[in-house]
Formats: sequence, C-alpha cells, structure tokens
Amino acid sequence: SQQGEEDPQALSIQEGENATMNCSYKTSINNLQWYRQNSGRGLVHLILIRSNEREKHSGRLRVTLDTSKKSSSLLITASRAADTASYFCATVPTDSWGKFQFGAGTQVVVTP
Amino acid sequence: GAGVSQSPSNKVTEKGKDVELRCDPISGHTALYWYRQSLGQGLEFLIYFQGNSAPDKSGLPSDRFSAERTGGSVSTLTIQRTQQEDSAVYLCASSLAPGTGGLGYTFGSGTRLTVV
Repeated sequence: SQQGEEDPQALSIQEGENATMNCSYKTSINNLQWYRQNSGRGLVHLILIRSNEREKHSGRLRVTLDTSKKSSSLLITASRAADTASYFCATVPTDSWGKFQFGAGTQVVVTP
Repeated sequence: GAGVSQSPSNKVTEKGKDVELRCDPISGHTALYWYRQSLGQGLEFLIYFQGNSAPDKSGLPSDRFSAERTGGSVSTLTIQRTQQEDSAVYLCASSLAPGTGGLGYTFGSGTRLTVV
C-alpha cells in the first residue's frame, strides 16, 4: 500500500482561489516532501519539511506537518492556470533513507 | 551534467524482448533512485544506489528486473522477457546522498516503456 496518500484525488478551482491538499502516512518519517508533475513526466521538487518542523513557506506554497496525526497539507495561494498539475507527497522513512514513498497524487486543475 | 538524463525517452518493445534503460545522474550525486509510474498512478519505488551498491532492492517487482551502477555514475535498469504489465514510465532521480535534506530529489524526464 502507498505510504503517502493524498486527498482529494482531484481538485478543480478558478484562478485566484486557494488550493489545499492533504497527505497522510503510516510510519515514522525523517522528512516529507511535495512534488509537482506536469503531463505525467518530470517531477519537480517543491518543498521539504523535516519531522521537527510544523510549517514551512516557499513563495505561494505553505506546507504544514502534524507528526502526531501523521499528516501534511500543501496550500497553494492565489492559484494560477500554470499551477495545473498533479501534486505528490513523498515521505522519507526513518529506517530507510533511500526509499521514498509516494502517494497517488492530487490532480489540480486551475481554470482561468 | 546540469540535470538527470534518461534514455531513451520512449521505447516500444515486443513482449518477451529485453530492454535496457539508462540514467545519467547529476555529477557528484552519490545517490540514485529508480521509480516507475503506471498510467494515472503514483510512483512505485524500485531500487536505490548509494555509490555503486544497492542497499535496498526491495521494490524490484520480479527477478526479470535488475539494475546496476558503475563508477558511481551511470545506472542501467534492465528488464528481461518484458511483459505488458511492465508498461510504465520509468523515472530516475539522484541526490547528493540518500534522504538528503533541503533539496529533495532531482528527477529525469523518464523513459516511457510500452510493451506490445
């Protein structure tokens, strides 16, 4: 089963709105990362949050991490059509640093 | 190089044939990872290398799959006697070290394998 599981599976919003997606995981992690993927290729690393951090910002992105609930959220503020993509969370388990676990992703569509 | 390079970008092969996929990581990155992504699915871990050794091969789906890395650089993923269920995008990524913080992975554009 997937270590990271995102919800919702799909999200459709208009430009200017905020997009929020969540990720839940099962085991202890060293850090959690969010990636974006366009057209089924080319994952791009967005942001990393360590297990001892609770919130992190990067531009229009805000990531939170709640290790007690084993969950994370990614917020994209003031969305743009160019934000249309699939977003994946990836967890780095504490017992296997090389073995990232990806969820199935959230497909975000931003309409002008 | 400036990024992670994978070749070929697309490969169509007949069922039962062997295929070899290549990944050229970013220069200086000691860790290299192989994942695959089936249509509409998330990424499935296959194997990762630290230098030339593979501490974790647990994701390889069957003994038809093998991977090697030589010189701490280029890696090849070989699939023998391909089956239709092997059809997927095979993604390679590299990082300075396993699980290295701050920068995440850098992914290549992948090889789209279609077994007909």
